[in-house]
Amino acid sequence: GQQVMQIPQYQHVQEGEDFTTYCNSSTTLSNIQWYKQRPGGHPVFLIQLVKSGEVKKQKRLTFQFGEAKKNSSLHITATQTTDVGTYFCAPRSDYKLSFGAGTTVTVRA
Amino acid sequence: IAGITQAPTSQILAAGRRMTLRCTQDMRHNAMYWYRQDLGLGLRLIHYSNTAGTTGKGEVPDGYSVSRANTDDFPLTLASAVPSQTSVYFCASSERDGGRGEQFFGPGTRLTVL
Repeated sequence: GQQVMQIPQYQHVQEGEDFTTYCNSSTTLSNIQWYKQRPGGHPVFLIQLVKSGEVKKQKRLTFQFGEAKKNSSLHITATQTTDVGTYFCAPRSDYKLSFGAGTTVTVRA
Repeated sequence: IAGITQAPTSQILAAGRRMTLRCTQDMRHNAMYWYRQDLGLGLRLIHYSNTAGTTGKGEVPDGYSVSRANTDDFPLTLASAVPSQTSVYFCASSERDGGRGEQFFGPGTRLTVL
């Protein structure tokens, strides 16, 4: 399956600060999705990116697909306690989604 | 309420026993999936079905089987459970197959094999 690396594995953020999580692949991706999983919950779809260089925003979340379609990032501004959870990137590979290991975010109030 | 239901919520199982995890969706989605989630490994695809009557193997299919007799149900069976199958299992569905569309996940089943 698709080998994708998500960094960092853990992110400890002070409330109000910004942070970015990255998803890197060695091969070109057709598309990539992002999901969020709250502690004790199930993954919930956030966004899908398809085009090279695509940037999409959802309130304080900014998602970007690299020009070469080999990497993607999620940037969160002014982190809030509601942002706690694990964020997964999921590139499409072999006509299926392949999930990264995730970035687990904790927030210090 | 539209969505995906899974049963049981949690289960402790003796090694060697047979177990079926149930998954039902009411969104009339064509595609359904089973994932397992282990700490540090993200979600790994076990089996999938692009439409009723068809199934396919995912990344970690060994020791598991599935069936898709109708659109709504997608049970996952462990024929003879082993401790390495201790995990959280998520069922998901999507309107479009092939990794092209949003996947909706059930609440999960926490399985412990002793």
